[in-house]
Amino acid sequence: QVQLMQSGAEVKKPGSSVKVSCKASGGTFSSSAFTWVRQAPGQGLEWMGGITPIFGSANYAQKFRGRVTITADESTTTVYMELSSLRSEDTAVFYCARDMYYYDNSNYREGNYFDSWGQGTLVTVSS
Amino acid sequence: SSELTQDPAVSVALGQTVRITCQGDSLRSYSASWYQQRPGLAPFLVMYGKNNRPSGIPDRFSGSSSGDTASLTITEAQAEDEADYYCNSRDNNGNHRVFGGGTKVTVL
Repeated sequence: QVQLMQSGAEVKKPGSSVKVSCKASGGTFSSSAFTWVRQAPGQGLEWMGGITPIFGSANYAQKFRGRVTITADESTTTVYMELSSLRSEDTAVFYCARDMYYYDNSNYREGNYFDSWGQGTLVTVSS
Repeated sequence: SSELTQDPAVSVALGQTVRITCQGDSLRSYSASWYQQRPGLAPFLVMYGKNNRPSGIPDRFSGSSSGDTASLTITEAQAEDEADYYCNSRDNNGNHRVFGGGTKVTVL
């Protein structure tokens, strides 16, 4: 199972950007997929987007499109999430997770699951 | 995009059974996964697909699905099962992931 270690807490001003890193170890990085999840204080989990390093291109939730950029560095087995134009509502814990594909023969459906999670990174947006 | 709907909260007596449901159109085409999250901690996977438990997850957790609804059942609930539970699946187009709103399980 892969281990994911995220960068530390950040405090940012409104309008600025934040870049959170997620270093993977113990797995096959390039062919894995990774996802980012946001959790505002007292709120639920929110999928932001994901990337498969071997393909390079990322996929973003409509809500975050235009403000979020997810990248991967195969040389350091690290995935990054950059969120721009920060506002106070972006104060949240951000998690990275490995995104695994599977096909469920019992119900003939495909799906995904997040089998390893980072510890989370608190980003506080405050003037 | 699509939505996954969960009951906000359920309670269960210690040792009894509770079922958490997740409803959405995309579940007719894609399987769901389930995550437990205790306060202050990262979520972790407890179930995926119809009834696939990751290693280390007690067998009192089971999963099922029918039509547009996926379910996570906890039999003989323990105090440590008190947590928030989230379902996740793909959206209707299959390109994105989407979470349910979460269910807070209280063990009485």
